[in-house]
Amino acid sequence: GIQVEQSPPDLILQEGANSTLRCNFSDSVNNLQWFHQNPWGQLINLFYIPSGTKQNGRLSATTVATERYSLLYISSSQTTDSGVYFCAVERPDSWGKFQFGAGTQVVVTP
Amino acid sequence: GAGVSQTPSNKVTEKGKYVELRCDPISGHTALYWYRQSLGQGPEFLIYFQGTGAADDSGLPNDRFFAVRPEGSVSTLKIQRTERGDSAVYLCASSLTSGNTIYFGEGSWLTVV
Repeated sequence: GIQVEQSPPDLILQEGANSTLRCNFSDSVNNLQWFHQNPWGQLINLFYIPSGTKQNGRLSATTVATERYSLLYISSSQTTDSGVYFCAVERPDSWGKFQFGAGTQVVVTP
Repeated sequence: GAGVSQTPSNKVTEKGKYVELRCDPISGHTALYWYRQSLGQGPEFLIYFQGTGAADDSGLPNDRFFAVRPEGSVSTLKIQRTERGDSAVYLCASSLTSGNTIYFGEGSWLTVV
């Protein structure tokens, strides 16, 4: 199956700092989504981004499908950004079957 | 409904018992997904429904696990003869159709003692 690797595994930030999270995948994908899992376990969809760049407030994401990676940018981090960030990919021959990475645990300190 | 709803939110059961977990997707969403998440890991795919039919059930770990979606809306994940290794958070998600943004419920925390 497809391999999804996220880096770094852990990240500690001071409030106000910027950061970049990376997601590498081993095969062609037709769908890529980024999620934030808050400390209570709720998974929130951040971006649907199979290719290109999108921005939503302080967050933005870029996927370069031809080079098999995606980046999530967090700017001016806030304590509410703490949690685990996952990327999930779907292969063209496996509709509906998303493979998740192991996640990046982010802690933002005041 | 406004979001994906899962019940129960927590379930403690004895080893060997039968468990049902329910998922009510966002109204109008034809695609429904079940995932399982263990502590410290990413969600693991179990099964995907498009409408009433299971389009991909390759993630179900064994024949003790079964899921249905008889009317193309609510889905039930059924686990027979539960084992302690089944303890996890069971997550349900839905999307308008496959290939669209997916939205997760809050999960059902299952503990088998």
